[in-house]
Amino acid sequence: AQKVTQAQTEISVVEKEDVTLDCVYETRDTTYYLFWYKQPPSGELVFLIRRNSFDEQNEISGRYSWNFQKSTSSFNFTITASQVVDSAVYFCALSEGGAGKSTFGDGTTLTVKP
Amino acid sequence: DVKVTQSSRYLVKRTGEKVFLECVQDMDHENMFWYRQDPGLGLRLIYFSYDVKMKEKGDIPEGYSVSREKKERFSLILESASTNQTSMYLCASSPPGQGVGVWNSPLHFGNGTRLTVT
Repeated sequence: AQKVTQAQTEISVVEKEDVTLDCVYETRDTTYYLFWYKQPPSGELVFLIRRNSFDEQNEISGRYSWNFQKSTSSFNFTITASQVVDSAVYFCALSEGGAGKSTFGDGTTLTVKP
Repeated sequence: DVKVTQSSRYLVKRTGEKVFLECVQDMDHENMFWYRQDPGLGLRLIYFSYDVKMKEKGDIPEGYSVSREKKERFSLILESASTNQTSMYLCASSPPGQGVGVWNSPLHFGNGTRLTVT
């Protein structure tokens, strides 16, 4: 069975600090996809990134970066120089290939204080 | 941009009522989903549909049914609402996945419907 663990329930940082959100996954499939979504206080989940299991390249998008390591089954998300607008709940999700279903982690609530 | 619209932001219903939650997407996506979100439990899949008139059970389908008569609309039905169905309900859509995968496309979510059953 597939599983996603976001061990950090809540994180609080001060603006301009760097912060890393952890995501550890379990799957028996060799083909799978990993996602990060952001849910701001307004409530609408927004897609941030997708990675497939064959692409371990790290990715950077502005202040956001993602570190995918199959050896440790982790797909961590780092925000550099955090801003108040980064305050949100962040979800990591795993989809197995073929007919597998998506599984979401429980989410990490990030609060960035001015 | 994809727009997923849920008909109500807040709903208050009484125990035993039949409740309809409506969701419409405007990007011609094949796949549509209903999740519920509860504190500490993340998002849990209730039902999904990969085509008109097709539906598949998710992880927690008990007490719910769905209807997809048109491609753009996916309705969640609570046959007889109960207090344990008080929750945030999220609708999502996605385009076809690569190959046979329904699940490898990013989900586009609506704003959610916060349902309270009293």
